[in-house]
Amino acid sequence: GAGVSQTPSNKVTEKGKYVELRCDPISGHTALYWYRQSLGQGPEFLIYFQGTGAADDSGLPNDRFFAVRPEGSVSTLKIQRTERGDSAVYLCASSQGTSGSGDNEQFFGPGTRLTVL
Amino acid sequence: AQSVTQLDSQVPVFEEAPVELRCNYSSSVSVYLFWYVQYPNQGLQLLLKYLSGSTLVESINGFEAEFNKSQTSFHLRKPSVHISDTAEYFCAVTRWGGSYIPTFGRGTSLIVHP
Repeated sequence: GAGVSQTPSNKVTEKGKYVELRCDPISGHTALYWYRQSLGQGPEFLIYFQGTGAADDSGLPNDRFFAVRPEGSVSTLKIQRTERGDSAVYLCASSQGTSGSGDNEQFFGPGTRLTVL
Repeated sequence: AQSVTQLDSQVPVFEEAPVELRCNYSSSVSVYLFWYVQYPNQGLQLLLKYLSGSTLVESINGFEAEFNKSQTSFHLRKPSVHISDTAEYFCAVTRWGGSYIPTFGRGTSLIVHP
């Protein structure tokens, strides 16, 4: 596709359940990022992949959160034992090339709105 | 570590009026600066960026921002806004030489009234 896609667009789950959020980056983009955006806040970094490996996962809030990118393209963010505080919009972005230069433009998907009841 | 402050959570303005959205940052090292825009029901899009060189940067739709190192600011301006500029605007900063992990401000909602 032309842009970053995320599925589902909305996810409602119950406290304690497991959820998976999917991100399909722009073809050929080696870098992929996950962010969480709470109401009234800017995006908050969670994890960054370069290829298949997680280059920086310092933003993951705790061990209930995990993300994979097994083939260096599609990524899945996994949240175990969901809590009401996990409710937010989860954003995915991708960019070309490697990180480090600071000027690689990130292209964002529309996000997945997660609601934990 | 760096931080970004967008003091105004909401800026209402009439169509064709000028607007300024404020952004201040703090960082112990040199930074790159960005403005992203999020239109209703869409993903964030890069509006403009400052990397080096001229401190005044412009976007294709009439917005401009000026990097002021002494005041650690990167305010976004437009001399005449349109209804279609109604959106959420996010200022972001990344460190020179670090991993490209931007720190975002909380956003400013620009509401353009007819």
